[in-house]
Amino acid sequence: GDSVTQMEGPVTLSEEAFLTINCTYTATGYPSLFWYVQYPGEGLQLLLKATKADDKGSNKGFEATYRKETTSFHLEKGSVQVSDSAVYFCALSLALDTGRRALTFGSGTRLQVQP
Amino acid sequence: KAGVTQTPRYLIKTRGQQVTLSCSPISGHRSVSWYQQTPGQGLQFLFEYFSETQRNKGNFPGRFSGRQFSNSRSEMNVSTLELGDSALYLCASSTSDRGRGEQYFGPGTRLTVT
Repeated sequence: GDSVTQMEGPVTLSEEAFLTINCTYTATGYPSLFWYVQYPGEGLQLLLKATKADDKGSNKGFEATYRKETTSFHLEKGSVQVSDSAVYFCALSLALDTGRRALTFGSGTRLQVQP
Repeated sequence: KAGVTQTPRYLIKTRGQQVTLSCSPISGHRSVSWYQQTPGQGLQFLFEYFSETQRNKGNFPGRFSGRQFSNSRSEMNVSTLELGDSALYLCASSTSDRGRGEQYFGPGTRLTVT
């Protein structure tokens, strides 16, 4: 079945450090890829997305590139802030002929940014 | 445009009871999906509704059911609650019936079963 694998957390960084959270996927078709972020006590917010190979999604200084050859979608940010502390989820979505769709999530990676 | 809303935000129920959760999607969104989030199992897909029809279902027992109304609002019901049903239940809405559209999540309903 389809699956998403994320690096184990927590990831602890100092403010202004470079962030990478690794994400790889397995899918039977050609998925769209997403990063969602969850702040404490809240639901999920869409951070960025990419729908085809070599697409780069970007938002709020975060970036991720859809790499079909390595089945990866790693999240990066050049300089993290304390306010970026949250749990980050990588996810994929496959659109079937019938239009059915569901998100398959990774296990999440907790990011802690220290001042 | 208002986001996805879920009610109630918090619920405490006793084992054996049943519960109904409500979700109002973003205006114009016709697809509504439900997810369960627990520390042990992470985020798991429950089901998806589109135009009042369930068109996708995850691997959950029949105690979990849902429906969608003509205005796209959706409810999910859990009968005969078990302790393991304690979780954050998230609703997400999406605009397109095909393709690769992203889903927008509500704040969730925190269900505690005692």
